[in-house]
Order: sequence, then structure tokens, then C-alpha cells
Amino acid sequence: TQLLEQSPQFLSIQEGENLTVYCNSSSVFSSLQWYRQEPGEGPVLLVTVVTGGEVKKLKRLTFQFGDARKDSSLHITAAQPGDTGLYLCAGPGYSSASKIIFGSGTRLSIRP
Amino acid sequence: SQTIHQWPATLVQPVGSPLSLECTVEGTSNPNLYWYRQAAGRGLQLLFYSVGIGQISSEVPQNLSASRPQDRQFILSSKKLLLSDSGFYLCAWSVSGGAAFFGQGTRLTVV
Repeated sequence: TQLLEQSPQFLSIQEGENLTVYCNSSSVFSSLQWYRQEPGEGPVLLVTVVTGGEVKKLKRLTFQFGDARKDSSLHITAAQPGDTGLYLCAGPGYSSASKIIFGSGTRLSIRP
Repeated sequence: SQTIHQWPATLVQPVGSPLSLECTVEGTSNPNLYWYRQAAGRGLQLLFYSVGIGQISSEVPQNLSASRPQDRQFILSSKKLLLSDSGFYLCAWSVSGGAAFFGQGTRLTVV
């Protein structure tokens, strides 16, 4: 069974600090996506990484796909209260690319 | 542009009652469609996905079923709700191998 495990499960930090959250699997993924979800809403896509070793930046957010395409990380620089939310990674299944598997999520809280 | 509509936004149903949640997509043809369930503050559990009309893949044996009567319509149903069916239900669409785009979700409370 393909699983995506995210760590930490919860993270609470002060505004202005840096943080990294992780998404790991024992399986190879052809691509991985990161989403952010706010309470009571659906997840919203942040980025898709496709190539092993790829790094993508979205303002203060930096996403990296592991060389072996089994893991990914999200680094936030100078976190702001607006970064608060549930961060989810996801990827297509190897038995069917149409099946999208989600990780367990990291709940991030940024204290002003 | 593509949009996805999911309704209702909230629903309170008694145990043993039926359920029907509907999701429609506009602006795209032959999308992959998905139903996920989410426990509070946790990740998304894939319930069903569909790659075409009448084609349903079930991921978790449970008290629910899904149907896709039209290309851009996906319905989640139950004949008799259980307390454990409570949760946040999310419909999504994608192009095969691509990212998922979600509706606003339905908060279901079974009482």
C-alpha cells in the first residue's frame, strides 16, 4: 500500500521563525503536490514537483522533491500568521495514476 | 475556467437515514472525479474515484457508494447512515496524473 507520511503532525511557532515540514514514502512517486487547507474549506494546490531533486519557490515557501522521488519537503522562511493552516502532500498511485493519495497532513500554527 | 460545485455545505442527518451528496464540474470534459473524507485536522481518505461515466473505483469498504451518471456529475450515497459516517466530505476533479481541485466540502453530522 502506498502511504505518504508527513511530519511533524503539529507545529506551532512564533511569527518570523523558519520551519520545514516533511513528506515521506517508501514508494517512488512520479510527482508530488503540496496543498494548503483552511478550516471548513477544500485544499488548495500550492505546487507540483515532478523531477527528482527539483526545487520550486513560491514567495517565502520553498519546495523540494527528493532525488529518489520518495520524499519532499516544504520550507517556510519568516513565517507569518497567514501561513497558518493544514499542509498536505499528495501524489498519484503507482497502480493507477488517476488515484491521488494524500498524506496525513501537518497542522501549522503561527503565533503573532 | 473550470469550477466545481458541491452541495450541501452542511448536513445533519439521523442514524439510519439515507444520504445523497452531489458534485458537478464545469469547464472541462472527462475529468477524473473523487470523493474524500476528512476527520478533523487530519489527512484525506480516498473513498471513491472515477475515470469515466459509470466507472467507479472503491478504495475503502464501507457504508457508502458512489455513482457517476453523467460525465461531470459525481454522487455519494448511503442507504442507511451510521454515526461513524460523520465527517467532512470533499469532492475533487483532476486531469489524469495531475493535481486535484476541490469543492468547498460538506460537513456531515450523523446524530
